[in-house]
Amino acid sequence: AQSVSQHNHHVILSEAASLELGCNYSYGGTVNLFWYVQYPGQHLQLLLKYFSGDPLVKGIKGFEAEFIKSKFSFNLRKPSVQWSDTAEYFCAVEGDSGGYQKVTFGTGTKLQVIP
Amino acid sequence: DTEVTQTPKHLVMGMTNKKSLKCEQHMGHRAMYWYKQKAKKPPELMFVYSYEKLSINESVPSRFSPECPNSSLLNLHLHALQPEDSALYLCASSLDSGTGSYNEQFFGPGTRLTVL
Repeated sequence: AQSVSQHNHHVILSEAASLELGCNYSYGGTVNLFWYVQYPGQHLQLLLKYFSGDPLVKGIKGFEAEFIKSKFSFNLRKPSVQWSDTAEYFCAVEGDSGGYQKVTFGTGTKLQVIP
Repeated sequence: DTEVTQTPKHLVMGMTNKKSLKCEQHMGHRAMYWYKQKAKKPPELMFVYSYEKLSINESVPSRFSPECPNSSLLNLHLHALQPEDSALYLCASSLDSGTGSYNEQFFGPGTRLTVL
């Protein structure tokens, strides 16, 4: 069975600070990796995704993530956060489950950016 | 159209009521999903439909009954729910869900369900 762990449950940063959110997964096969964001009162949106190729992927709004296969990690980064980045961030792993692809979400990290 | 729509936005029901949640997408996606999200928790997968057939049921109680009438529509029929079933119910869709496919899931805004 696949699992995802996000180590930071609540992160508070000042504007312009750099961000790194940790994500580690457990799964024995090939995975697809995602970061989703949920802004207050809004629905889940895809930030970025990794399927194959360059392990450094760039997403929307200046976010990027690096897949390190040896560490089973897919950490999310942004060089300079803005107040509008305040949201909940979910790492997700997709892997095979009985012939179908199943997505498992991490517990989420709540990011609060202080102006 | 890159939207997944869900109705209603809010639903309050008693434990003896029967109600349905509706989800619709017109992106030509052939996989559709129901998730349950409790407050401050991640979405938990309930059901997956692939090409209008139920492919994954994550041991969901029978008081939740999914239905996929066609490739664009997904319903979740509710009957005899419990207060602990109160949650945000999210629908999602993706191009496909089979092994080897690369699926980005598009989420709807959810239905906020309260069971009294």
